[in-house]
Parts: sequence; structure tokens; C-alpha cells
Amino acid sequence: QSVLTQPPSASGTPGQRVTISCSGSSSNIGSNIVNWYQQLPGTAPKLLIYSHNQRPSGVPDRFSGSKSGTSASLAISGLQSEDEADYYCAAWDDSLKVVFGGGTKLTVL
Amino acid sequence: EVQLVESGGGLVQPGGSLRLSCAASGFTFSSYWMSWVRQAPGKGLEWVANIRPDGSEKYYVDSVEGRFTISRDNTKNSLYLQMNSLRAGDTAVYYCAREVTMIAVDYFDYWGQGTLVTVSS
Repeated sequence: QSVLTQPPSASGTPGQRVTISCSGSSSNIGSNIVNWYQQLPGTAPKLLIYSHNQRPSGVPDRFSGSKSGTSASLAISGLQSEDEADYYCAAWDDSLKVVFGGGTKLTVL
Repeated sequence: EVQLVESGGGLVQPGGSLRLSCAASGFTFSSYWMSWVRQAPGKGLEWVANIRPDGSEKYYVDSVEGRFTISRDNTKNSLYLQMNSLRAGDTAVYYCAREVTMIAVDYFDYWGQGTLVTVSS
């Protein structure tokens, strides 16, 4: 059972906008920053969004993040087939430990 | 180019020990916090431990506290994870990851390719 709660799956058709939610508590998302990671099949995770809504260099602006209270969201607009992957939210907990969500498998129909 | 290369994984019996290594290159290793993150087969990511640049602070997930020890050798640009009293539940791919830590910012920006640890009799 992961500390952060994500839906196990999400889907959309090419060009659509999809959102993935991440729910936590006051000791993690509520008081600390949220990051998002993308894991393509058979590869290591890759940083997708940091500090709630910042994109590293090279990440398309189709990806965006937001946070409100003890929840966060990842939005992907203009969905593309190469976006099919697992997505994980992560946050530091007040106990100085990192907690991850259980991951959301995104399928592009 | 930043590179993180893990090694040391393999098959070990329950109760056994294993030492993982992560060789870092392409950046000033001694300036960064480093972490180990694991992923059980078909499961999600789980942070395991991290260590301060000078090695003076270490943090662990509760499930490995007292069994695993994270360490580093800045002269060799290497990160280690000593794993003792291994259990079946420790079976996973273990990734080392570089942390970017600044005011109001803390994330893993580079990951290794991972090394598989299998605990089984």
C-alpha cells in the first residue's frame, strides 16, 4: 500500500487531454513539493515534473503539474502514442523520507 | 554526460547479504545527495535510502532500517548499499539516483539503469 494514492490506470486517444491525480496528506503533499516521474516500458524512471509544475529541459510543454492542498495532478495535453508509460508522483514526507504513489499506467488507445 | 551505473545484484538466499555499488561519472559526485530506489517485479517505485554529500546524514525507509546501510566513497565517486538479513520482499530492481537539493526544491534528476536483486532459496 503506497503512501500516495494514484489511480492504477488511465487512458485516452491521441490528441486528447488526460489527467492523473495523486492524493496524500498534510505531512507529505500538504507541506512539501511534488515531483512526477515517467517510466517507459523496460526503462529507468525519468524526471517529468519537479516542484509541482516545473519541467526539466527537454520535457514538452504538453506536460504540466499542479498542486492543491494535499493533492496533486499531472496533465498531459495533445496525447501521443509515445506517452504510453507508467507515471509516478513523489513527495518528501515531514519525516525526511521520500514517498511515492503506486503509479498510473497510461494507455493511448 | 551524467552516468550512474549500478552493479552487484544477483540471486541470494533469504537471510543472506549483498552489496550493491553505483559508479558515478560526469558530475561532481561529492556535491550531491544520493538515493537508492527499488522496484519489485511488476510493482511501483519505493525509495530505500539516501545519504548526504559528506556522508554525515543517512535516512532509510522503515522496512530496511537496521538491515541495510547506505554509504559512499567520494574519492571513488561511488555509492553503496550493504544489504543484510535479506527477505523475499527485498526482491527488486535497485536504482541509484542523484538528488538535486536546494531551497524548496528536491528531486531525482538522474537514474541508473538498475540492478536486479532476487532473494530466493
